[in-house]
Amino acid sequence: QVQLVQSGAEVKKPGASVKVSCTASGYTFTGYYIHWVRQAPGQGLEWVGWVNPKSGGTNFAQKFEGRVTMTRDTSISTASMELTSLTSDDAAVYYCARGVAAGYSFGLPTYFYFDFWGRGTLVSVSS
Amino acid sequence: EIVLTQSPGTLSLSPGERATLSCRASQSIGWQYLAWYQQKPGQAPRLLIYGALSRATGIPDRFSGSGSGTDFTLTISRLEPEDFALYYCQQYGSSPPGITFGGGTKVEIK
Repeated sequence: QVQLVQSGAEVKKPGASVKVSCTASGYTFTGYYIHWVRQAPGQGLEWVGWVNPKSGGTNFAQKFEGRVTMTRDTSISTASMELTSLTSDDAAVYYCARGVAAGYSFGLPTYFYFDFWGRGTLVSVSS
Repeated sequence: EIVLTQSPGTLSLSPGERATLSCRASQSIGWQYLAWYQQKPGQAPRLLIYGALSRATGIPDRFSGSGSGTDFTLTISRLEPEDFALYYCQQYGSSPPGITFGGGTKVEIK
């Protein structure tokens, strides 16, 4: 069965960085993009970006450009997201999700929905 | 940017009743690139509907999706106790800003 297992909760100070990992099992890791979605306390869902496990290519929501890095290690079927220069606005549960590519633009997967999700990683930011 | 507006914000219903949730897009969503998710407290979202109409694997047939263009609906034909939760719609992605979600509808027990 498909599983996405995320790393544990983190407490960070403002200005610090956080790295969250997501280990996949039950399917071919390189066959699906891994996306990251966050949810601030009591708020809705916000897409952060994706990493292509096969190529390592990435795409981010504009608001995170310059602050986020997404990587993958195919040897251990793990994707990671690092967010830098943390502020209190970054305090949230960060989910990884498997993206199903439903449409393409210029030959590249562009349109996704999410069929499996990790349980989430709570990132707290406090001085 | 495609903005998704979900209504109502909260729906108060009794078990056995029908729930109708709306998701309206600020511009037309092509190819019915819209999904619905259910989220319970402390849990990750769960995919219910994709392609606006198709039920995900294992989703009961009391859940159905409809709509196209800018207006989409999630219907729960007869609410079961486990259906009281938050529901989000999601459009698959248009650049920028990419994938976006609606603000959610909470279905609560009346």
